[in-house]
Amino acid sequence: AAGVIQSPRHLIKEKRETATLKCYPIPRHDTVYWYQQGPGQDPQFLISFYEKMQSDKGSIPDRFSAQQFSDYHSELNMSSLELGDSALYFCATCPLRGLKGPQYEQYFGPGTRLTVT
Amino acid sequence: AQSVAQPEDQVNVAEGNPLTVKCTYSVSGNPYLFWYVQYPNRGLQFLLKYITGDNLVKGSYGFEAEFNKSQTSFHLKKPSALVSDSALYFCAVRDASSGNTGKLIFGQGTTLQVKP
Repeated sequence: AAGVIQSPRHLIKEKRETATLKCYPIPRHDTVYWYQQGPGQDPQFLISFYEKMQSDKGSIPDRFSAQQFSDYHSELNMSSLELGDSALYFCATCPLRGLKGPQYEQYFGPGTRLTVT
Repeated sequence: AQSVAQPEDQVNVAEGNPLTVKCTYSVSGNPYLFWYVQYPNRGLQFLLKYITGDNLVKGSYGFEAEFNKSQTSFHLKKPSALVSDSALYFCAVRDASSGNTGKLIFGQGTTLQVKP
């Protein structure tokens, strides 16, 4: 079965650089979530999109922005990177408007490991 | 605010023995609860969910969870543990209070160690 695709899987950047993380949902999944997981921590919600519109915003720095495109893929743009941004970034998707009704479980991608040096 | 708590940082069981990973929740309204498993350097894998219906929910890989409203708990269980079950387990609750997409709020995670 098709899964959530994230690219790149690993990214090394220097302080003050920018990074773009991409997420390709499972087909027919209309909702995308971004989470950040620091070492030894639980995932923290950053931002979500439903039908290409921003729906909810969590603890996402102003230096970060995201969008969902017409083909439902999403990109997380991170600027002025700081050492503390080093983490695993997960994209998760779900079909809130599925044929069988809303499916609330989120399916996670493999993550992008960002290292800021 | 919605929250979940996993009181144990680590659970150790012998292979073949039953396992329980504990989770308690605090929500306003009806809880939508989930269990995920995470293997090292991997994404979170959905195991099971409780939305409504039977209190005993069956999921993937022989796992099940029992929803207990009076105790506000949603413990993960498996009758016979495998060494391959060793991983990090997260309990989560859906929070739709600030957006219709319903973000997940996770517990702190419990490391399950199954010894041969």
